[in-house]
Amino acid sequence: EIVLTQSPGTLSLSPGERATLSCRASQSLSSSYLAWYQQKPGQAPRLLVYGAFSRATGIPDRFSGSGSGTDFTLTIGRLEPEDFAVYYCQQYGTSPWTFGQGTKVEIK
Amino acid sequence: QLQLQESGPGLVKPSETLSLTCTVSGGSVTYSSYYWGWIRQPPGKGLEWIGSIYYSGDTYYNPSLKSRVTISVDTSKNQFSLKLSSVTAADTAIYYCARQIAVADTYAFDIWGQGTMVTVSS
Repeated sequence: EIVLTQSPGTLSLSPGERATLSCRASQSLSSSYLAWYQQKPGQAPRLLVYGAFSRATGIPDRFSGSGSGTDFTLTIGRLEPEDFAVYYCQQYGTSPWTFGQGTKVEIK
Repeated sequence: QLQLQESGPGLVKPSETLSLTCTVSGGSVTYSSYYWGWIRQPPGKGLEWIGSIYYSGDTYYNPSLKSRVTISVDTSKNQFSLKLSSVTAADTAIYYCARQIAVADTYAFDIWGQGTMVTVSS
């Protein structure tokens, strides 16, 4: 099973700042099979990015994904008030599909 | 617009079987480009993939749960279902159903139900 480790656990930032979230895989992911999700309290996760860098439908361009192999990054260009949430990465290169433990982006 | 809705008991006794159904509206479970999956989230914790099914009935399970899980699809009702046997308190979680993309080697979950809380307790 591929283990995904997200860092930091919590990111304290102000609106307008840039957020950089990391996801490291325990083994290389073939063809960048990585997705990012956003989850707000009481809501289901929402797909932001798939294939490591492709934005899902309707996702603002301030969200961008990058990386390959074992190291991946989600960058939020300028934080909007609605972006404060928990973010999860997920790999689908090798079954079982697994998720990281999450990074909470909170208002500083 | 495609929507998914989970339904089923919110309380299950230990050792019994948890049964949930996901009803798909605004689209069909027979779309060839998608799987249909179940994911769970214990209170305050992260996400765990349980398993997925294709409309043909092909299933894919998380090995950690495989011995206790059955996922099925009913195309006539546009639903798919989850059964998890021999439940314990560790199975207490929010259970989500979700559509899983199955094209271009992409298997991300792009549409989710709102989730349903299931508590295992006597």
